[in-house]
Amino acid sequence: QSALTQPPSASGSRGQSVTISCTGTSSDVGGYNYVSWYQQHPGKAPKLMIYEVTKRPSGVPDRFSASKSGNTASLTVSGLQAEDEADYYCSSYAGGNNWVFGGGTELTVL
Amino acid sequence: QVQLVQSGAEVKKPGASVKVSCKASGYTFTTYGISWVRQAPGQGLEWLGWSRPYNGNTNYAQKVQGRVTMTTDTSTSTAYVELWGLRYDDTAVYYCAREGVLAFDIWGQGTMVTVSS
Repeated sequence: QSALTQPPSASGSRGQSVTISCTGTSSDVGGYNYVSWYQQHPGKAPKLMIYEVTKRPSGVPDRFSASKSGNTASLTVSGLQAEDEADYYCSSYAGGNNWVFGGGTELTVL
Repeated sequence: QVQLVQSGAEVKKPGASVKVSCKASGYTFTTYGISWVRQAPGQGLEWLGWSRPYNGNTNYAQKVQGRVTMTTDTSTSTAYVELWGLRYDDTAVYYCAREGVLAFDIWGQGTMVTVSS
């Protein structure tokens, strides 16, 4: 499988909103509602932020929201805070018991 | 609390093999699958495959198929990944991750594997 496509970087000022896209194909993102998003701070393990396209695990602030349209999923971070500065990765089930990740987006909070 | 604790860093020569462990605690090990994900220095996440403790089934990504084995030991709640024929581009942090809610909800702390002559 090819990696899902994410923009390498994104940025926004404190308090503003930023949206990160994740584009796949009908064989992964478009074919299943099993898109998830992960936050990774430098030197740390990834942390699950969104699962099943739109659901937030307990403890994840509601400033994080997500959606999907066709083959593209999106993560929106509202009310940006300094601690949101991190790398973000999307992931999707890709059929055949396989998973695929996006290339990652480095989010900078200005 | 629910956690996955991995074994320590490894340095291996090209062509050698490496085995990384991932010990689960705080939940019923056989209820969830375990996936392995690696991250080369400065690069993104790459899914390598999964193993199912409850039935021993496995599935591997095409890129590492034939060079990897993922196993689980239910008596110690530990998952393992073994990679052989190591190449320089296998240098990465290797993570285990629990497959819950159709996503990777719990991650190990990572194990650095360095392939160097």
